[in-house]
Amino acid sequence: GNSVTQMEGPVTLSEEAFLTINCTYTATGYPSLFWYVQYPGEGLQLLLKATKADDKGSNKGFEATYRKETTSFHLEKGSVQVSDSAVYFCGMNTGFQKLVFGTGTRLLVSP
Amino acid sequence: EAGVTQSPTHLIKTRGQQATLRCSPISGHTSVYWYQQALGLGLQFLLWYDEGEERNRGNFPPRFSGRQFPNYSSELNVNALELEDSALYLCASSLGQGALPSTDTQYFGPGTRLTVL
Repeated sequence: GNSVTQMEGPVTLSEEAFLTINCTYTATGYPSLFWYVQYPGEGLQLLLKATKADDKGSNKGFEATYRKETTSFHLEKGSVQVSDSAVYFCGMNTGFQKLVFGTGTRLLVSP
Repeated sequence: EAGVTQSPTHLIKTRGQQATLRCSPISGHTSVYWYQQALGLGLQFLLWYDEGEERNRGNFPPRFSGRQFPNYSSELNVNALELEDSALYLCASSLGQGALPSTDTQYFGPGTRLTVL
């Protein structure tokens, strides 16, 4: 079946460190892939997306590349800030508009 | 431009009662989605409405139901509440079936936190 697997958290980093959050997917066909971020007490905000193989989504210094050969969509940022502390969800849309999400990865950035 | 709005922010009910949650989509969006974010269970797809019709449903019992109104706003109803229904319920909207799949991004509201005592 369709599923998304994210690395377990929490991920704890110091400010200005490099961030990678791994995400892999299992799907029939070619899904669209998304990263959403959830700040404390809020709903989900779309961070970036990619709709086909080799697409790179980017926003606010975050990047992720759609890798069909490894079925991955890893999230990266070169230099994290305290304000990036949040829960990050990897998701995909395989059709019928149903988003399938990973379990979320909590990121904690300390000064 | 206003985003997706949900009401109420918090809702406290007792077992066996009914809960009604409301959602207003972004202007111009015809599709509305409901998700449940329960502690330890992640985000689970509940329902998708488009143009007033239920288009897809997640793996939830029939006591979870909803509807979409002519102005595209939506209600989620949960009957015979159980303790495990306590969760954050998120609503999202998108342009709808007429849009290309690659552009049909879902935008989320802030959620309604339902607590069942």
